[in-house]
Amino acid sequence: EDKVVQSPLSLVVHEGDTVTLNCSYEVTNFRSLLWYKQEKKAPTFLFMLTSSGIEKKSGRLSSILDKKELFSILNITATQTGDSAIYLCAVETNAGKSTFGDGTTLTVKP
Amino acid sequence: DAGVTQSPTHLIKTRGQQVTLRCSPKSGHDTVSWYQQALGQGPQFIFQYYEEEERQRGNFPDRFSGHQFPNYSSELNVNALLLGDSALYLCASSWAGSSYEQYFGPGTRLTVT
Repeated sequence: EDKVVQSPLSLVVHEGDTVTLNCSYEVTNFRSLLWYKQEKKAPTFLFMLTSSGIEKKSGRLSSILDKKELFSILNITATQTGDSAIYLCAVETNAGKSTFGDGTTLTVKP
Repeated sequence: DAGVTQSPTHLIKTRGQQVTLRCSPKSGHDTVSWYQQALGQGPQFIFQYYEEEERQRGNFPDRFSGHQFPNYSSELNVNALLLGDSALYLCASSWAGSSYEQYFGPGTRLTVT
């Protein structure tokens, strides 16, 4: 059965800190790994990763995938209170099925 | 350009009843996936519809069924509701011909009493 495990489950930091969120997976017929940010209801897309070692960046956020060791990390630098959210990692198979982790709840204090 | 829309926003049902949730995909998208998100957990994949057919299914009982219409909108039906069906139900749409990036709707909060 496909499995995605995120760590830590929750994290509390202060503004300006840098955080690293982890995602490990076991899945058959891997296609891609995706990161989402969920603040209220709808998860919003952050990154899609398909190749090992290629960093994706968007402002203060970046992510990288290691397909050999089956994990990905999401880095957020210079955190702001607006970064407080649940960060979800999901893995997609070639057949189009998505498996999500339970998320990391990030709280950024002023 | 309207994103993914879902209705209703909230719903309260009694055990044993049946419920239908609706989803309209983002313009240009032809694939709809449904997820159940219980409190404190990540979304769990229910099923995916493409070209009006169920293409993939997660580990959910047959009480959960769906449909996709020619305009790509979709419905999720749940029969014989259980207390454990209380959750946020998310719909996500994508375009089969692209990178499979999904756009999520705001969800329907279902409470079963």
